[in-house]
Amino acid sequence: AQKVTQAQTEISVVEKEDVTLDCVYETRDTTYYLFWYKQPPSGELVFLIRRNSFDEQNEISGRYSWNFQKSTSSFNFTITASQVVDSAVYFCALSEETSGSRLTFGEGTQLTVNP
Amino acid sequence: EPEVTQTPSHQVTQMGQEVILRCVPISNHLYFYWYRQILGQKVEFLVSFYNNEISEKSEIFDDQFSVERPDGSNFTLKIRSTKLEDSAMYFCASMRRGPNTEAFFGQGTRLTVV
Repeated sequence: AQKVTQAQTEISVVEKEDVTLDCVYETRDTTYYLFWYKQPPSGELVFLIRRNSFDEQNEISGRYSWNFQKSTSSFNFTITASQVVDSAVYFCALSEETSGSRLTFGEGTQLTVNP
Repeated sequence: EPEVTQTPSHQVTQMGQEVILRCVPISNHLYFYWYRQILGQKVEFLVSFYNNEISEKSEIFDDQFSVERPDGSNFTLKIRSTKLEDSAMYFCASMRRGPNTEAFFGQGTRLTVV
């Protein structure tokens, strides 16, 4: 069974600080996909990144970076030089090749960036 | 940029009434989904739909729920005899192919059962 754990319920930082959101997953599949979504206060779910299990290269997109480590089943997300607009709930999610295409979400991490 | 559209954005209904939540997925997408998010909680999978039939459903998706793709564009979630605990944000999503593609989510419909 697939499972995603985001142990950090809430994180509060001051603007310009770097912050890392943790995500640990469980799966029996060798082929799976990991995602991060952002949910701002307005409520929509905004796609940030997709990673497949065969691609462990870390990725950087502007102030965002992702660290995928299969050895520890983790897919962590770092925001560099955080801004107030980064305040949101961030969800990590997993889908398995053999379990259809449904996403299993973690509990989410509420990030608050204070000015 | 193409997007998933959901209507209404907010629906208030009395307990026991039926509601239909509507979604227009992205036109060339083949996989459609409904997810639910109770306030302050995580997003939960309800059902997936492919090739005009349900491909997978969760334990939440009981006989109270049904989905339909009545024409080539709309994708609906019907909840019969709503209960207070059905109050949640309901998200529609679509994928172009399958697990290896991004799920595009609609803005959500906030359902309030009173």
